[in-house]
Amino acid sequence: SQQGEEDPQALSIQEGENATMNCSYKTSINNLQWYRQNSGRGLVHLILIRSNEREKHSGRLRVTLDTSKKSSSLLITASRAADTASYFCATDNPNSGYALNFGKGTSLLVTP
Amino acid sequence: EAQVTQNPRYLITVTGKKLTVTCSQNMNHEYMSWYRQDPGLGLRQIYYSMNVEVTDKGDVPEGYKVSRKEKRNFPLILESPSPNQTSLYFCASGPGTNYGYTFGSGTRLTVV
Repeated sequence: SQQGEEDPQALSIQEGENATMNCSYKTSINNLQWYRQNSGRGLVHLILIRSNEREKHSGRLRVTLDTSKKSSSLLITASRAADTASYFCATDNPNSGYALNFGKGTSLLVTP
Repeated sequence: EAQVTQNPRYLITVTGKKLTVTCSQNMNHEYMSWYRQDPGLGLRQIYYSMNVEVTDKGDVPEGYKVSRKEKRNFPLILESPSPNQTSLYFCASGPGTNYGYTFGSGTRLTVV
């Protein structure tokens, strides 16, 4: 089944630095979403980018989408310790209604 | 408060004893879905529903059943649980494609 793949699997940075995570997927999409998960808790929706958009911003988050390369990136600027979490990209499949498929996630550690 | 409520949060059961994990949303969302999360495998979709009485299999439906008799509820049924169904389960809902989804807090299930 279609699934996003995040890269890197784990990322460790210091507070104030920027964090960049990448996602690649396999087939055409309607949109791509990014979610955050704090340890063992439910996922929280961060941002959605449609297939006809190339870049989107939300606060300290910047998402890009390159449909020709089937890839997306999530940039968190001026990171904080509270950003420590796992980040997942999720893609929908135009052929299966609202079904949303997730990658395995990037584990981000931000140290003070 | 808009939310997805799952119950129970934690459950330990024995092999073969039927159980139901409930999921309810108060946002009048059409779409609901169940995922399981396992270390190293990310989130995998079990079943999803695009509306009342409309359900479809996700990537890992074996051993699970669902029903969507009312818009707000989407229970996950394990008729005969086995140890390989030990996992962290999440219910999610959304208004439809091109929108983010709201996740429940999760149900940690252990089958012994």
